[in-house]
Amino acid sequence: GNSVTQMEGPVTLSEEAFLTINCTYTATGYPSLFWYVQYPGEGLQLLLKATKADDKGSNKGFEATYRKETTSFHLEKGSVQVSDSAVYFCALSDSGGYNKLIFGAGTRLAVHP
Amino acid sequence: DAGVTQSPTHLIKTRGQHVTLRCSPISGHKSVSWYQQVLGQGPQFIFQYYEKEERGRGNFPDRFSARQFPNYSSELNVNALLLGDSALYLCASSSGHQDRETQYFGPGTRLLVL
Repeated sequence: GNSVTQMEGPVTLSEEAFLTINCTYTATGYPSLFWYVQYPGEGLQLLLKATKADDKGSNKGFEATYRKETTSFHLEKGSVQVSDSAVYFCALSDSGGYNKLIFGAGTRLAVHP
Repeated sequence: DAGVTQSPTHLIKTRGQHVTLRCSPISGHKSVSWYQQVLGQGPQFIFQYYEKEERGRGNFPDRFSARQFPNYSSELNVNALLLGDSALYLCASSSGHQDRETQYFGPGTRLLVL
């Protein structure tokens, strides 16, 4: 079945460092891909999305490109801030008849001053 | 505009009890989905409803049930609670008009089963 695999955390960075969180997926069709962020004690917030191959999603300095040839959707940010500390989830939208999201296990990011 | 709202925010129950969780979608959205997020894991799909009909169901036992009302709000019911049902329960809404569309999440209900 369809699945999402994320790099294990925690990822610990200093402020202004470059961030990459790897995400790969397995899907039989043509899913949409998403990054959601979860701050402590809160629900999920949509960070960015891409709906077809080679699309680049971007928001708040974060970027991710839908790579069909490598089945990847890696999250990047050029300069992280302490306020970016959260858990990041990669997800795909399964197109099998209804709009179900399949999530990775999440990657915790801790940014220190 | 208000986002997805959920109630209650926190709940403590004992094994064997029943619980009802509530969700109101974003205005204009007709589809509601429920997810269970166990501590340290990604959310797992439980149900999706659209126009009051069940559109999809995840791999959860029959103790889990849900329904959607004419105003598109939804309830998730869990019977005969087990310790393993302790989790954050997330509701998400979407318009329901497009395949693979974005889902918007509420803040969740944190359930603790003792």
